[in-house]
Amino acid sequence: DIVMTQSPDSLAVSLGERATINCKSSQSLLHNSNNKNFLAWYQHKPGQPPKLLMYWASTRESGVPDRFSGSGSGTDFTLTISSLQAEDVAVYYCQQHYTTSLTFGGGTKVEIK
Amino acid sequence: QVRLVGSGGGLVQPGGSLRLSCAASGFTFSRYAMHWVRQAPGKGLEWVAFIRADENLKYYGDPVRGRFTISRDNSKNTLYLQMNGLRGDDTAVYYCAKDEGADRPDYLDYWGQGILVTVSS
Repeated sequence: DIVMTQSPDSLAVSLGERATINCKSSQSLLHNSNNKNFLAWYQHKPGQPPKLLMYWASTRESGVPDRFSGSGSGTDFTLTISSLQAEDVAVYYCQQHYTTSLTFGGGTKVEIK
Repeated sequence: QVRLVGSGGGLVQPGGSLRLSCAASGFTFSRYAMHWVRQAPGKGLEWVAFIRADENLKYYGDPVRGRFTISRDNSKNTLYLQMNGLRGDDTAVYYCAKDEGADRPDYLDYWGQGILVTVSS
């Protein structure tokens, strides 16, 4: 299985400041067939189901605020919240779908400083 | 709008069985693959199983392969997870989730509210 490693495990950011979450895969997620990275990001708030934020590493899901952005290729990816809002407090997960055995990163908890 | 409503959770003894259901609405169920994903207490998300839209292809995570069976009834717009030989480390909130496509595991664009399964004597 592809191992997904997120860092940091948690971070505290002031309101309006930037939050950066990293995700590293044990093998490349860039597929030759379509030149896309098979990497998604989810936001998970307590008591709610996870919510899809980004797919193909950098495509924002409909309705997701543009302060969320995804970048990276191959094995190294980043989710950035450009200006943290109170409603962004959550755990964020990356997930690879390059192989048929899906795997998630361990999660990054984002809090307000 | 897309709705995924789970049911069937509860307390079960080690070695016991449980069947989870997930009723789907708001989209053409038979055209999309589906998944089960779980979250153990204090842990992260763990993918459990996948079923193709036409139900003719299934994949399982290593911890559940041989004990759990995913199925679907496209005439009833319902996804199932039959769980046998339950163990304490199967204790988790189980989510059903819709795949963005029909044929292979991809990203999950809608998730149900979650079903609590507790395995304990």
